[in-house]
Amino acid sequence: KAGVTQTPRYLIKTRGQQVTLSCSPISGHRSVSWYQQTPGQGLQFLFEYFSETQRNKGNFPGRFSGRQFSNSRSEMNVSTLELGDSALYLCASSAQAPSSGNTIYFGEGSWLTVV
Amino acid sequence: AQTVTQSQPEMSVQEAETVTLSCTYDTSENNYYLFWYKQPPSRQMILVIRQEAYKQQNATENRFSVNFQKAAKSFSLKISDSQLGDTAMYFCAFTQGAQKLVFGQGTRLTINP
Repeated sequence: KAGVTQTPRYLIKTRGQQVTLSCSPISGHRSVSWYQQTPGQGLQFLFEYFSETQRNKGNFPGRFSGRQFSNSRSEMNVSTLELGDSALYLCASSAQAPSSGNTIYFGEGSWLTVV
Repeated sequence: AQTVTQSQPEMSVQEAETVTLSCTYDTSENNYYLFWYKQPPSRQMILVIRQEAYKQQNATENRFSVNFQKAAKSFSLKISDSQLGDTAMYFCAFTQGAQKLVFGQGTRLTINP
């Protein structure tokens, strides 16, 4: 069974550009969430989707957005990139509804560098 | 707001020794879930162990076990017979059931040969 797959793995963008990151959850998983990891702020929750609906959102500016498709695949978008957006972006999935406390599995992440 | 605190930024032990990583958390909720994740240099977050707050029995997974003290809001991870492959960042995390995990700052564990 394939794990959580994130693409691209590495990318470099220029300030002011926008970026889209993609995440394919484990087959059969319907919950997808995104996290940002930086040396200074650690791991911070971005948003969570279940059945194409955003269920939770972290404390990030509106430049950060996401969506989930009917096949549970998810994308996150960051517009007007800033240097501080340089980070490892981790996607995670779990099998059941958000209230179940089900085990959460992570992908390998997408490394974003903003120059 | 829920918070998770890992008071040991770095730890180092010899191979085959036992090591305990500390974690405390703050919540007013009664039902929640706690996790330990391992992040090796590859940066893949790997689940080590999971504990449900309503279960008094401490979770164990092979060489990994936890000491869950609900009243003290403490959730420490014990690694027995440590191996070189255990070298990684270890994160303690909390959730009330949603996928919104709250992470601690991590403990960098080094296993020396």
